[in-house]
Amino acid sequence: AQSVTQLDSHVSVSEGTPVLLRCNYSSSYSPSLFWYVQHPNKGLQLLLKYTSAATLVKGINGFEAEFKKSETSFHLTKPSAHMSDAAEYFCVVSRNTGGFKTIFGAGTRLFVKA
Amino acid sequence: GAGVSQSPSNKVTEKGKDVELRCDPISGHTALYWYRQRLGQGLEFLIYFQGNSAPDKSGLPSDRFSAERTGESVSTLTIQRTQQEDSAVYLCASSRQGAPGNTIYFGEGSWLTVV
Repeated sequence: AQSVTQLDSHVSVSEGTPVLLRCNYSSSYSPSLFWYVQHPNKGLQLLLKYTSAATLVKGINGFEAEFKKSETSFHLTKPSAHMSDAAEYFCVVSRNTGGFKTIFGAGTRLFVKA
Repeated sequence: GAGVSQSPSNKVTEKGKDVELRCDPISGHTALYWYRQRLGQGLEFLIYFQGNSAPDKSGLPSDRFSAERTGESVSTLTIQRTQQEDSAVYLCASSRQGAPGNTIYFGEGSWLTVV
């Protein structure tokens, strides 16, 4: 079985400070991991993905995530938050079970204060 | 357009009525997915199509929900005898193949309100 847990439902940071959104996963097989962002009244947009290549993955808008197998984590980071980063972020794990299924985390709402 | 297209973007319906939600995936994408997102919740998997067949429909919440896909293209999600708990955003997504590691592209969603 596989699952994904986003450890914080809400994160609040000040503009210009670092962002850390935490994600832990559970998978019996080597997973593919993704981070998606959803701005208000918008569809989901892919930020970055990990598919067993480099463990440090760089995405759009200055975001990156590091796959740590020993910690079963895939935390999303950004060195300096911008007001436009305020959104909902979803950590996603997937594998082909023969009945394909993608598992989404519950989401983390990021607030950015001026 | 180049992205996943969904219609209607908004739908208000009376309890007990049937609704149909349409999804046009990106051309050439063989995999198509339906998800549901209730207010303040994460995404809930409903069904996955590979081509026109649905190898995984385990997420459909009840027999009031059904989906079909034709021509390896357009998909329709049908909800019969709608209930208030069906109110949610229904998101469609597609990917080039239904294998892990393939990026899933999402539509803007169909906002369904059952009154």
